[in-house]
Amino acid sequence: AQSVTQPDIHITVSEGASLELRCNYSYGATPYLFWYVQSPGQGLQLLLKYFSGDTLVQGIKGFEAEFKRSQSSFNLRKPSVHWSDAAEYFCAVGVSGGYQKVTFGIGTKLQVIP
Amino acid sequence: EAQVTQNPRYLITVTGKKLTVTCSQNMNHEYMSWYRQDPGLGLRQIYYSMNVEVTDKGDVPEGYKVSRKEKRNFPLILESPSPNQTSLYFCASSSPQGGYNSPLHFGNGTRLTVT
Repeated sequence: AQSVTQPDIHITVSEGASLELRCNYSYGATPYLFWYVQSPGQGLQLLLKYFSGDTLVQGIKGFEAEFKRSQSSFNLRKPSVHWSDAAEYFCAVGVSGGYQKVTFGIGTKLQVIP
Repeated sequence: EAQVTQNPRYLITVTGKKLTVTCSQNMNHEYMSWYRQDPGLGLRQIYYSMNVEVTDKGDVPEGYKVSRKEKRNFPLILESPSPNQTSLYFCASSSPQGGYNSPLHFGNGTRLTVT
């Protein structure tokens, strides 16, 4: 069975600083990888996804993520954080060949300070 | 506007009183699912449905029921709620036309409190 680890439960960054949220997955085959964002009181919204091809994927709101097979990682990055980025971020892994078996990490809550 | 609509947004109930949380999507998606979100545990899948009249258990199905009589609706039923079902619930949908593991579209959540 697949699993996802987000080692940082809570991260605080200053507005304008760079951001990296860590995600490690465990799965025997090629995974489908996602990052979702949850703003307060809202459902989850897809930021970006990786299925195959270029290992650096671009998403919405200026986010990007890099798939590193050797490290089983899919870290999310943003060069300059805005106050509106304060939210909870979830990494998720899907099983290739299996329909919609998606496992989520426990989430990383991002706080942005002025 | 394409969306997944859950109702109610907030619900407080007492132990043992049956309740239903509704979920409806207007995107003609075949796949729908229910998750619960708890602090420190992330999102865990309760039930999912691949299409009308096709449902299956997720990771934490105990104490829940679902039905899929129409493509657009996927209600979550708690026949006898207990305090350990106090949680934030999300309905999600997607379409296999986007391939396996198409991104999920989420509702805004239902915060349930069972006293």
